[in-house]
Amino acid sequence: EPEVTQTPSHQVTQMGQEVILRCVPISNHLYFYWYRQILGQKVEFLVSFYNNEISEKSEIFDDQFSVERPDGSNFTLKIRSTKLEDSAMYFCASKGRPNEKLFFGSGTQLSVL
Amino acid sequence: GENVEQHPSTLSVQEGDSAVIKCTYSDSASNYFPWYKQELGKRPQLIIDIRSNVGEKKDQRIAVTLNKTAKHFSLHITETQPEDSAVYFCAAFMNRDDKIIFGKGTRLHILP
Repeated sequence: EPEVTQTPSHQVTQMGQEVILRCVPISNHLYFYWYRQILGQKVEFLVSFYNNEISEKSEIFDDQFSVERPDGSNFTLKIRSTKLEDSAMYFCASKGRPNEKLFFGSGTQLSVL
Repeated sequence: GENVEQHPSTLSVQEGDSAVIKCTYSDSASNYFPWYKQELGKRPQLIIDIRSNVGEKKDQRIAVTLNKTAKHFSLHITETQPEDSAVYFCAAFMNRDDKIIFGKGTRLHILP
């Protein structure tokens, strides 16, 4: 089965630093998402991206967050100035059409010290 | 916006018995309801889904039911096995919002 790949698997950073989380969605997919999961809690929606623009974002996705699809394969999440509370597992996801199955990547565990 | 409530938060059942997890959603425009299983440290994996034009769907030991009028949907696992132990998340999706909203999860323990 095709997979969404994410790098790195773990990222440790100092508070205030910028981080970029990288994702390669499944090749023929058009809809891309970032979710996060704080340890032991639910999976929270951050942002959806389609046709090279953000289609929906949550309250969590403030001005410190941005997404980009710099080329035909990568989809990145940037956190400009990390805070302690940004520590979480970040999942990238993609799907081919609106009502289709959402495929999740294996996640990036972000630790902000 | 859409809100998804999930109960119970923790569920323990004897191996071989059935487990039922229930969810409710707030927005009647929701039209797709997936269920995910997440093992410790792993990504959520889709185990079954149901669309709003169907009332029930079954896949081997797993079934999902949907009551659109009451805005309820449930996951049923029969003949539970140790490998069913995990956290299960229900979710709801609406085309117009292009996002899947997850419930808070149910930690299922299968007791020997």
